[in-house]
Amino acid sequence: KQEVTQIPAALSVPEGENLVLNCSFTDSAIYNLQWFRQDPGKGLTSLLLIQSSQREQTSGRLNASLDKSSGRSTLYIAASQPGDSATYLCAVLPLKTSGSRLTFGEGTQLTVNP
Amino acid sequence: DGGITQSPKYLFRKEGQNVTLSCEQNLNHDAMYWYRQDPGQGLRLIYYSQIVNDFQKGDIAEGYSVSREKKESFPLTVTSAQKNPTAFYLCASSPAGLAGSYEQYFGPGTRLTVT
Repeated sequence: KQEVTQIPAALSVPEGENLVLNCSFTDSAIYNLQWFRQDPGKGLTSLLLIQSSQREQTSGRLNASLDKSSGRSTLYIAASQPGDSATYLCAVLPLKTSGSRLTFGEGTQLTVNP
Repeated sequence: DGGITQSPKYLFRKEGQNVTLSCEQNLNHDAMYWYRQDPGQGLRLIYYSQIVNDFQKGDIAEGYSVSREKKESFPLTVTSAQKNPTAFYLCASSPAGLAGSYEQYFGPGTRLTVT
């Protein structure tokens, strides 16, 4: 059974710092990996989608990498801002799935202090 | 604007009552999903639908029911049989009905409180 783990559970950094969020998964047989952002009491906003054949994706100050063989992904946030404060979730789409069922990690709660 | 809408944002019910959560999308997506989110736990899949008039149970379907009569709508009913219904419910959709490399898009969620 696919399991997704995110470490750390919470992270607090000063504004301007570059930071890395980690995501690991137990089964490398995946279609893709998706990073989401969730603000308190809100839905999920998709940030980046990495296909299994890709190594990384970039959007603005965000860069996500995927190492399928080691079961790891990282989300790099450059020059963090207080507006980046949110919970970041990663999710994988296993090959052995029906109906595009994502498996989620529990998230990393990020606080960027002014 | 294209997107997913969920209503209501907050819902309060007495124990023993059934309640229906609405989810509508205008993205022309084939697949739709319902997740439940509890504090300290990841999202868990309740039901999903790959095509109109068809749906499948997820990991925690007991006490829930769904219908998919229209492509754009996927309502979730929380029945009195659901033992711990208080949670944050999220609806999602994606372009492909079959497993594939497509993003899932989420609605704003409905917070259900049952007392």
